[in-house]
Amino acid sequence: QKEVEQNSGPLSVPEGAIASLNCTYSDRGSQSFFWYRQYSGKSPELIMSIYSNGDKEDGRFTAQLNKASQYVSLLIRDSQPSDSATYLCAVKLNRDDKIIFGKGTRLHILP
Amino acid sequence: GAVVSQHPSWVICKSGTSVKIECRSLDFQATTMFWYRQFPKQSLMLMATSNEGSKATYEQGVEKDKFLINHASLTLSTLTVTSAHPEDSSFYICSARAGRYQPQHFGDGTRLSIL
Repeated sequence: QKEVEQNSGPLSVPEGAIASLNCTYSDRGSQSFFWYRQYSGKSPELIMSIYSNGDKEDGRFTAQLNKASQYVSLLIRDSQPSDSATYLCAVKLNRDDKIIFGKGTRLHILP
Repeated sequence: GAVVSQHPSWVICKSGTSVKIECRSLDFQATTMFWYRQFPKQSLMLMATSNEGSKATYEQGVEKDKFLINHASLTLSTLTVTSAHPEDSSFYICSARAGRYQPQHFGDGTRLSIL
């Protein structure tokens, strides 16, 4: 099992709808979880950090964490064309110093 | 806050040249910095992890003599690609974090083209 798994997409969502991005991880002891957005040809940009079970909201973004299920998700409300990008899930492993990135989900918001 | 500056943005040079890329944390002290490489349409590949004042830890398959990393201060790390060849052409991205459980913040990346 890969350490951080995401569906590669592309995920197509109509403008104004909710985009739901999912991620699973294998290290049960992981404590820190991050979502990054990467536009084509650019470097990743941090969107959300989440450390506790439950929901964390920041503007149109909501991160959800379920440690029992080893599952973290990102919801984007009122999706805009500018949200079209690759979204990377990242997990700080318990066993060492690295953050492991998933391969990313390509999101396409349809105007 | 949490700004990471990477320089240069673009480098085009001849085969055999050595290229130095700088990564600076502008508004925080970075205990750890990371260097990644990304080929078109592929995911980030971690090359090495560097902690201030100590030797970098390289990922399997990354040649430490070819990719020299120096992390001389809490705000500066450098990556030197020695004797670069066309296959080294890629997008190199650094990131930095303030503490072990803090998120990584990325620089804007350096696009390296070796002719």
